[in-house]
Formats: sequence, structure tokens, C-alpha cells
Amino acid sequence: NAGVTQTPKFQVLKTGQSMTLQCAQDMNHEYMSWYRQDPGMGLRLIHYSVGAGITDQGEVPNGYNVSRSTTEDFPLRLLSAAPSQTSVYFCASSYSTRGAKNIQYFGAGTRLSVL
Amino acid sequence: DQQVKQNSPSLSVQEGRISILNCDYTNSMFDYFLWYKKYPAEGPTFLISISSIKDKNEDGRFTVFLNKSAKHLSLHIVPSQPGDSAVYFCAANTGGGADGLTFGKGTHLIIQP
Repeated sequence: NAGVTQTPKFQVLKTGQSMTLQCAQDMNHEYMSWYRQDPGMGLRLIHYSVGAGITDQGEVPNGYNVSRSTTEDFPLRLLSAAPSQTSVYFCASSYSTRGAKNIQYFGAGTRLSVL
Repeated sequence: DQQVKQNSPSLSVQEGRISILNCDYTNSMFDYFLWYKKYPAEGPTFLISISSIKDKNEDGRFTVFLNKSAKHLSLHIVPSQPGDSAVYFCAANTGGGADGLTFGKGTHLIIQP
């Protein structure tokens, strides 16, 4: 059981380049989220999805796009990378079942540097 | 405006003793609280949680206490072991579960032999 898989693990971009961070989960979770973690900071929510075709913005959505065409996948797109987007990105998923739905399971992260 | 606060960036505890990690929150709408543990170069892993209708939840060596009137929760680890050395994040949710978690900045727990 792979859980939440994120690719790539590391990435270096030049300012202005675009890329997509991939996230896939095999637990049939309805809810998926993207977070970023900066040094000395907790995780901050970028975007989230409650199911296929439904996405919404979190605390820090600017500069990022998401889509959810399937239950399993939730890619995060950087349209024009900026140095301020240098961070570690975590994808998470959870059930929608009452009681267990708040427990989010995280991937190992993608470490992104924008030069 | 930080809604979940962990005011101790680091904590050093001797092996075998009790570790107490603290967390304060400001949003009275939070009704579910979680602790995550994170090792370097890994994603956070769920440790223990508590609903706002309870004041204590226990799982093995880990116990979380919630004081709603003070908007304060704490994680107790007894006895502390070397493998407990990690960053611990406090997180909260407004109960819907769908719209993600609000995290504190974390406390780096160091267990000394």
C-alpha cells in the first residue's frame, strides 16, 4: 500500500518556468490538500479538494493552480515560478467519513528551489 | 494572524523522563485537534488527536489534554525515548474536515541519553 505518492522529490527551476508537482493516493480518499512548509514555519494550506471536479483555495493560493479530474490524483501547477515559491511542498489526503475525516495522511514532500 | 501557536521552538528532555509539548489556539471554531510528528526529509505522520467534546485522549505513551476554556492543548510523552526526537506539529480543524488543517510552527523535541 503506497499511500500518498509525490513526484518529483527534488526540483530546481529558473524564475518564470512552469511545472507540475504530482500527487497520487491509493487509499480511495475523497479529500486531498496541498501545503507548503518554509523554514521556521508550520505547514500552510495552498489548495484543497473535497472530490473529483471540486477544488477551493486555502491560505496561500496565489501563483498556484490545481485540478482534480480523478479521485486518485491532485496535481499542483506553478504557472510562472518565482523565488518566493522556494519551499517544501506536501500533499495530503483523508477520508470524508465522520470521525476519521480530519486525519490527513501526508506524502514525503517535494523540495523545490526557484533560482 | 497565527491561529495555532507553539511558543517553544525547541525542547530538550532526558531519556525516560516526561516530554510536555504545548499548543495554544485563538479560533474558537476549532473543534478537532491533532498532533503530527515529522522527521527530516519525511512527511508529517499522524500521532494522536482529540475532539473538542473530550478533555483527554490516550494512546500508549502519548496523551493529549485539551483545555477549551484556556484554548490550550498539550501532548505528554511518557517515558521519552530516543526515537521521539523529531519536530512535533499541533494542528486544528473547524470540524468539517474537508478544508484542510491549520498548523502551528512546530516544536523540535530532542531526547538526550
